[in-house]
Amino acid sequence: DIVMTQSPDSLAVSLGERATINCKSSQSVLYNSNNKNYLAWYQQKPGQPPKLLISWASTRESGVPDRFSGSGSGTDFSLSISSLQAEDVAIYSCHQYYSTPFTFGPGTKVDIK
Amino acid sequence: QVQLVESGGGLVKPGGSLRLSCAASGFTFSDYYISWIRQAPGEGLEWLSYISSSHSTIYYADSVKGRFTVSRDNAKNSVYLQMSSLKAEDTAMYYCARASNSGGYFPSDYWGQGTLVTVSS
Repeated sequence: DIVMTQSPDSLAVSLGERATINCKSSQSVLYNSNNKNYLAWYQQKPGQPPKLLISWASTRESGVPDRFSGSGSGTDFSLSISSLQAEDVAIYSCHQYYSTPFTFGPGTKVDIK
Repeated sequence: QVQLVESGGGLVKPGGSLRLSCAASGFTFSDYYISWIRQAPGEGLEWLSYISSSHSTIYYADSVKGRFTVSRDNAKNSVYLQMSSLKAEDTAMYYCARASNSGGYFPSDYWGQGTLVTVSS
């Protein structure tokens, strides 16, 4: 199974500042035949299901603000929120869909400082 | 609009069984893989299973293999998760979710609100 780890476990950022979350997979999720990273990022607010923010490591879903961006390849990825807004307080999880069983990272809690 | 609605959760004793349902609407259900994913209280997300659009491909996580069975009825736009030999560690919110494209290796883009399963004596 591919194990997903995230750092930090939590972070507090001032409004308008940048937040960066890291995600590492225990093996590469880059599929060489199509050069795509099978890595997604989800946002989850209390009492709500997860919301897909980014797929293929860096492709923002429709309607997701452009302050959210994903980067990385192979085994190392990151999610950045360029200018943190109050509504961005949530838990963010990375997810690999490269091989079954699909797996999720443990989540990173983002709060306002 | 795309909607997924889970039902069937509740309180069940250890060793008991429960059948969850996921009713879908707003898209061509028979074109999409559907996954079941759960989240224990205060914990992260755990992918459990998916079923292909034609039932031909089904995968399970090791944690539920042999105890849980996924099925679907494309005529009723529904997916089911039959859970047996339930343990306390199966206590969680259970979500069904749609793959973002037809095919298996895509992230889930639409999720239901979840149904809570509590396993306790």
